[in-house]
Amino acid sequence: EAGVTQFPSHSVIEKGQTVTLRCDPISGHDNLYWYRRVMGKEIKFLLHFVKESKQDESGMPNNRFLAERTGGTYSTLKVQPAELEDSGVYFCASSQAAVWTTNEKLFFGSGTQLSVL
Amino acid sequence: AQTVTQSQPEMSVQEAETVTLSCTYDTSESDYYLFWYKQPPSRQMILVIRQEAYKQQNATENRFSVNFQKAAKSFSLKISDSQLGDAAMYFCAYRSTMNYGGSQGNLIFGKGTKLSVKP
Repeated sequence: EAGVTQFPSHSVIEKGQTVTLRCDPISGHDNLYWYRRVMGKEIKFLLHFVKESKQDESGMPNNRFLAERTGGTYSTLKVQPAELEDSGVYFCASSQAAVWTTNEKLFFGSGTQLSVL
Repeated sequence: AQTVTQSQPEMSVQEAETVTLSCTYDTSESDYYLFWYKQPPSRQMILVIRQEAYKQQNATENRFSVNFQKAAKSFSLKISDSQLGDAAMYFCAYRSTMNYGGSQGNLIFGKGTKLSVKP
């Protein structure tokens, strides 16, 4: 079974440019999460999709970030325009059921390392 | 709001020895989950061990065990018989069981501890 896949693994862009990160969850997983780790800091929750709907986007830092999950399969996270402080590793995770209802595990991808110069 | 603190940015252990990674947390909730995740150089986060707060018994997974002290809000990870493959970043994480109308997949992480294993 394929795991959570993220693309690209690395992205280097200049300030002001646009970048789109993609996450393919495990097939059949309705729940998809985005997290971010800025260097030296904690991994922070960004948002949670249930199928194509945003269940919780309380962690999104500002309106330069746009997440979508059309069709309830893969998700994209677009940063436009990118700023220096957006640099970090962006993780995606998925789970089959709503995590709080069971002992369901979160399965993480390998992340996208974003560097904004 | 809940917080997770890992006070050891880096730790080192000799192969075959035992090492303990510290984690403390702050919460007003009585029921919750605690996790240790491992992040090797491949960057993929892997669940190492999970502890339900309502269980008094410490969780164990092969060479990995925890010392869960609920009153002290402490959740340390012990790695026995350390192996070279244990070298990684280790993250302690907290998850609420409460439904506040938001997301309970919302893990709250510490800053991580980088573990080196010396041959």
